[in-house]
Amino acid sequence: QSALTQPASVSGSPGQSITISCTGTSSDIGGYNLVSWYLQHPGKAPKLMIYEGSKRPSGVSNRFSGSKSGNTASLTISGLQAEDEAHYYCCSYAGSTTFKFGGGTKLTVL
Amino acid sequence: QLQLQESGPGLVKPSETLSLTCTVSGGSISSSSYYWGWIRQPPGKGLEWIGSIYYSGSTYHNPSLKSRVTISVDTSKNQFSLKLSSVTAADTAVYYCARTVVVTAIYDYWGQGTLVTVSS
Repeated sequence: QSALTQPASVSGSPGQSITISCTGTSSDIGGYNLVSWYLQHPGKAPKLMIYEGSKRPSGVSNRFSGSKSGNTASLTISGLQAEDEAHYYCCSYAGSTTFKFGGGTKLTVL
Repeated sequence: QLQLQESGPGLVKPSETLSLTCTVSGGSISSSSYYWGWIRQPPGKGLEWIGSIYYSGSTYHNPSLKSRVTISVDTSKNQFSLKLSSVTAADTAVYYCARTVVVTAIYDYWGQGTLVTVSS
């Protein structure tokens, strides 16, 4: 079961927008609208930021948004803030009650 | 507020079996709306889904680990457990337990994680 593909790192300056991609296949991302995104600060558990591709849980800033096209999901963070610096992981349902995570992307706020 | 807490040995010898338990508090593990899962993260690496269990005992596993993984649930104790057999150094990781909404990829509550090191 191969992981979803994310860029290893992205960076941006405060106030800018960045997008993190997550590429899978028609058996996972492309087959279902069930992609979620997680933020992880060092030494902490992941935190849900986006679910079902584009929905935000209560309490998550509207600076975070998600989308999907074909086999690729994307997370966009607008108005970058220093506190956004973290690792970000995508996760997709992959059928038969199985799941895949992406390899993770380190976001650096310059 | 739902809380999950992992517990178990922090050091396991190669070829032995890793055993962890996740205790759920502030909510019932017997809810029909959720699966209960295990995810791990090797040092400096990404997240890997290990498997999930439903309160009824139905289990689902990562195909790459399936033959070594056993997940069980004890509804009377509000706990679920992970056993990973024949461990090697590659199984060294922080192990998280988490709740997921049925048939979604929504992992909404996580334990703090516990580091398990495989070493002689």
